[in-house]
Amino acid sequence: DAGVIQSPRHEVTEMGQEVTLRCKPISGHDYLFWYRQTMMRGLELLIYFNNNVPIDDSGMPEDRFSAKMPNASFSTLKIQPSEPRDSAVYFCASSLSPRARMGTGELFFGEGSRLTVL
Amino acid sequence: AQSVAQPEDQVNVAEGNPLTVKCTYSVSGNPYLFWYVQYPNRGLQFLLKYITGDNLVKGSYGFEAEFNKSQTSFHLKKPSALVSDSALYFCAVRDGNTDKLIFGTGTRLQVFP
Repeated sequence: DAGVIQSPRHEVTEMGQEVTLRCKPISGHDYLFWYRQTMMRGLELLIYFNNNVPIDDSGMPEDRFSAKMPNASFSTLKIQPSEPRDSAVYFCASSLSPRARMGTGELFFGEGSRLTVL
Repeated sequence: AQSVAQPEDQVNVAEGNPLTVKCTYSVSGNPYLFWYVQYPNRGLQFLLKYITGDNLVKGSYGFEAEFNKSQTSFHLKKPSALVSDSALYFCAVRDGNTDKLIFGTGTRLQVFP
């Protein structure tokens, strides 16, 4: 498997523009997580899905942020409108449940999407 | 509430010396514990995990960690540090009830020649 694939790797945009980040999880994984990493706040959990259903979105900072998982192989994180304080690296990760027969619970991460909002 | 604490922002150690990176956790369900490493401009790489069984778990690159239930700790260790071990290390806990996985704030390990 190619691992978790995120796109774009880098995005530079202007304040007020819409940003869409994309993620393709590892095939067969039933959990998908979105994290944001900044120097000031570290690695924050934004939202996670189980079997394409959002389970906990309490980490989503504002209504400007939204995430979807229309099917098992694709998820998006959208910011509209974007602001300079949204500048960060956004990571997607997928896993099996620790209780699954073949599950060991660790997350597999993509390489991240570095967002810069000017 | 679920939480992970890494009390040290940075750990400095001389090459060849043993290293320890500390981690304590709080979770309501059974804890699944993990260590990850991050190199500059890269994603997080899995090092090792504790799910159940032996309290001492061994992982990649010679790292190991000891699960201590009474102290709710999961410290990362290596008997002999290498300069190439210099990176950012994250401890994480997954709640066995919710499957929510959160990370500590990270500890920067600097190994000096």
